[in-house]
Amino acid sequence: DTAVSQTPKYLVTQMGNDKSIKCEQNLGHDTMYWYKQDSKKFLKIMFSYNNKELIINETVPNRFSPKSPDKAHLNLHINSLELGDSAVYFCASSHHPDRAREQFFGPGTRLTVL
Amino acid sequence: AQSVAQPEDQVNVAEGNPLTVKCTYSVSGNPYLFWYVQYPNRGLQFLLKYITGDNLVKGSYGFEAEFNKSQTSFHLKKPSALVSDSALYFCAVRDSGGYQKVTFGTGTKLQVIP
Repeated sequence: DTAVSQTPKYLVTQMGNDKSIKCEQNLGHDTMYWYKQDSKKFLKIMFSYNNKELIINETVPNRFSPKSPDKAHLNLHINSLELGDSAVYFCASSHHPDRAREQFFGPGTRLTVL
Repeated sequence: AQSVAQPEDQVNVAEGNPLTVKCTYSVSGNPYLFWYVQYPNRGLQFLLKYITGDNLVKGSYGFEAEFNKSQTSFHLKKPSALVSDSALYFCAVRDSGGYQKVTFGTGTKLQVIP
């Protein structure tokens, strides 16, 4: 059974378009995250939700908007895509972060902006 | 502010030899420390963590790590490397006080040579 799943796996689009990435976890975790991994493999947290409440919002352009309809889902919508948005986006989940639990990562969504 | 450093971009080791991947950290309080592994085109997978207690932590696939408070280090080790261990390894840290985000290192590529 897939623990953390993301769709789509690949996303190729033109500059200026709007796109969404979906994430679902079936682990019963309270907390979900979005990370961006650039071409040098640097991993940076973007957002984190705990029980549908935003708890981390790093310095991310307003064009990025996360939405958590319930604690098993965290979607990422990106408006007006730019070339610099090209990266691999990972969703992750964990138990409540106060308990120092490890994170479980999805397989990633490779976004290419042309 | 918390930070983590992985001083080596790449580590090469012969199959069967012991391996070490280095990590040093900085936090204001006590650290929670993690190691993750990323295989090509995959999400990160948790290997092991240190929260408290014994300084030597054992994890998945025969890996272990030693917490050294005086040197603020958490090096990943394995007694005998396998070709299948070749991957990208990330060290991560968060402060144990309250809720904090996890900060990931820049990653170290491990190449095990047959």
